[in-house]
Amino acid sequence: SQTIHQWPATLVQPVGSPLSLECTVEGTSNPNLYWYRQAAGRGLQLLFYSVGIGQISSEVPQNLSASRPQDRQFILSSKKLLLSDSGFYLCAWSGLRTGELFFGEGSRLTVL
Amino acid sequence: TQLLEQSPQFLSIQEGENLTVYCNSSSVFSSLQWYRQEPGEGPVLLVTVVTGGEVKKLKRLTFQFGDARKDSSLHITAAQPGDTGLYLCAGAKDTDKLIFGTGTRLQVFP
Repeated sequence: SQTIHQWPATLVQPVGSPLSLECTVEGTSNPNLYWYRQAAGRGLQLLFYSVGIGQISSEVPQNLSASRPQDRQFILSSKKLLLSDSGFYLCAWSGLRTGELFFGEGSRLTVL
Repeated sequence: TQLLEQSPQFLSIQEGENLTVYCNSSSVFSSLQWYRQEPGEGPVLLVTVVTGGEVKKLKRLTFQFGDARKDSSLHITAAQPGDTGLYLCAGAKDTDKLIFGTGTRLQVFP
């Protein structure tokens, strides 16, 4: 069966520090991978998606970047965090074109 | 830009009541999905509807896709405390990404 994991689950970082959130998928090959950010109790904003290794599409201009060094690994990064980067970050995969998304457990980032 | 608006934003009801959540857009979607999310966890898919006018039932939950494929509704009959959570609709266009709605937070009191 397929599984998806992201870490760390919780992160508290000072403004200006770097960020790296990791997401890995097991049990499937060549998945579409996604990073979403969620404001408290609200909908999800798509940040990045990838249809293959090294292929990243960015949805909104921001302080963040994404990379896909391996087929089942997706990384969200920042060189210098801003207060506005705080939020709940969710990684997801999809095996079908516009099919259902399977989400990781989420990473809560607090920037102080 | 948020393409999918959900209403109501918050809903607080007693166990046994019925409720309807709406998901509206001016855009046409090839399919629409509904997810439920518990606090501190990722959303979990409830249903996918793909045909205009389609109705799907999942126990006490009834999902409908609008005839023009621009809107959808979720109706819960005899709500239970276990139905508490954040309900999210998500629309798919002919691309590799889903657009999520603004969310409806449901609280069912025993």
